[in-house]
Amino acid sequence: QKEVEQDPGPLSVPEGAIVSLNCTYSNSAFQYFMWYRQYSRKGPELLMYTYSSGNKEDGRFTAQVDKSSKYISLFIRDSQPSDSATYLCAMSANSGNTPLVFGKGTRLSVIA
Amino acid sequence: EPEVTQTPSHQVTQMGQEVILRCVPISNHLYFYWYRQILGQKVEFLVSFYNNEISEKSEIFDDQFSVERPDGSNFTLKIRSTKLEDSAMYFCASSIRDSANTGELFFGEGSRLTVL
Repeated sequence: QKEVEQDPGPLSVPEGAIVSLNCTYSNSAFQYFMWYRQYSRKGPELLMYTYSSGNKEDGRFTAQVDKSSKYISLFIRDSQPSDSATYLCAMSANSGNTPLVFGKGTRLSVIA
Repeated sequence: EPEVTQTPSHQVTQMGQEVILRCVPISNHLYFYWYRQILGQKVEFLVSFYNNEISEKSEIFDDQFSVERPDGSNFTLKIRSTKLEDSAMYFCASSIRDSANTGELFFGEGSRLTVL
């Protein structure tokens, strides 16, 4: 079983839609969960960071972590064409300086 | 806004040649990383570097790879004898603290390496 699974899409939605992006993982040691946005030919850019279980909201973005199900989500409200990008989930365990393990990324297109 | 800068943006090389990819991390950051992304694949960890030494490396980071911080500002990745499968986008990243604690890893725009 792969450590982090993420549906690669592509996912195409109309402007204004609510977008739900998800990852599952197998390593119960993961404690830190991140979502990165990557535009074409650019480096990943941190969007959201969550420690352990729970929700975190930042503007139009909400990150959810359910450690019991080993499932994390990113919700984008009122999606905009500028949200069109690849969204990468990433996670790490709690031992010091542990490398990030990334999902494959979901390609999102928001159509005006 | 401070950023991680990488050079070159694209390098084409022949198999067996040595390649050096350069990075200038954000100036007050202490932890430095190299990740790579083969086309269509996941971003993969290669190596982390702190206090002038490697703190962790993946199984990808074999004897053909080395890292160096030669002058206190640059952070380089050297591939001694490139193979076709080294073709990928290489991302440098830096953080002010351990990325496992903050998640605030700042990535450069990447160096695309093509090995022919």
